[in-house]
This record gives sequence, structure tokens and C-alpha cells, in this order.
Amino acid sequence: EIVMTQSPATLSVSPGERATLSCRASQSVSSNLAWYQQKPGQAPRLLIYGASTRATGIPARFSGSGSGTEFTLTISSLQSEDFAVYYCQQYNNWPPRTFGQGTKVEIK
Amino acid sequence: QVQLVQSGAEVKKPGASVKVSCKVSGYTLTELSMHWVRQAPGKGLEWMGGFDPEDGETIYAQKFQGRVTMTEDTSTDTAYMELSSLRSEDTAVYYCATDLFDYGWFDPWGQGTLVTVSS
Repeated sequence: EIVMTQSPATLSVSPGERATLSCRASQSVSSNLAWYQQKPGQAPRLLIYGASTRATGIPARFSGSGSGTEFTLTISSLQSEDFAVYYCQQYNNWPPRTFGQGTKVEIK
Repeated sequence: QVQLVQSGAEVKKPGASVKVSCKVSGYTLTELSMHWVRQAPGKGLEWMGGFDPEDGETIYAQKFQGRVTMTEDTSTDTAYMELSSLRSEDTAVYYCATDLFDYGWFDPWGQGTLVTVSS
């Protein structure tokens, strides 16, 4: 099973600042990685797939990068609606499809 | 576009079973691969299983094998997830989520169904 590890667990950022979230895979997943955003009481929403392709309707301030075992989600200028929990998920080798434990982006 | 609507919250006693439904609209169930993911209170996302189009079978996470059954009613475009021998640790929100073109990511998701296991 591929283990996904996200860091940090919590990121405190001021509105307008940049946020950088990391996701590491225990073995290579090529570019087969997705990022999701989840707000309290809501289902996860797809942000990024293929490590760097924004899903339909996702603002350009969200960008993904990386391949192999190291991945980054960057939010260039945090808006109030971006404070949420973010998860990475690999789909290179399954079963199982595995998620990271999440990074909570909170207001500083 | 695909929309998923799940059944309502459930309260079950330990040892019982629960069956959660997920109604698909915008596509037919045969056009997509359905998966189930759960989230315990305050915890992360856990993949439970889903349809593998390469094998034409539903694959379950090892943790749930023997306790979970995922089925589909193509006449009503409704997917079901049944979990048996419930214990308190199964208290969670259960989501259905589509892998529309078998690419590997999940989009969209159902709204979630809270299952509470309590005596």
C-alpha cells in the first residue's frame, strides 16, 4: 500500500499571503495525484488532478506541482473562502486509493 | 454533469447493518465507476472500495473485506453500500464518489451520509 504523508498538519496564513502544502508518497506515483479541498460540513471538492491540472472552475490561484514522490499545492494569495482542509490522493497503484491525512489551512 | 444524492442519516446499534444509497443523475450508472469513501468525526478520508473497470469487478479495501458489499441497480441508477457487523468505530460520514472516466480521481462526490453506531 502506498502511504501518503502531508505536511504540515496545520498551516496558519494571513489572507493575501501564499500557502504551500506538501504531500509525499512512500513510493513513486508518477503524476497520478489529485488534490481536494474540504470545508466543514461539506464533501471534498476536486481541485487538481494529474498533479498539476486544475479541475473545471478552480481559480488560477491554485496550482499543483511535482512528480514521483514529492508534490506541492500552492495557493498564491489566500482568500477567505480558501481556509479549509486539503487532502492529496494517489491513484497510480490501487487498491487501495490512498489519501494523505490532510493539511488544515487556518487564518493567522 | 453528474450529480449524486445520498440517503439520509442513520442511527444503528452495534452488530447491525446499514445500507446507504447514492442516486446518480446526469449520467447512467453504467457510464461511470462508483467508489465509497468514509470519514470518521474529525478524521481524514478513507477509501472503502469501488468498481474496477479493468476487471469488471468491485474491489474492496482489505480492512472492510467480508463486511462491506457495494451493489448497483442500473434500472434506477442507484448505487448502494452495505456495511455489516457495525461497531462504534464505524461512526462516520460515508460518501459516494465517481471516477467518471476511470482516470483515478474522484469528481463529483455525494453530499455524505452520517452513520452513527451507538447502543
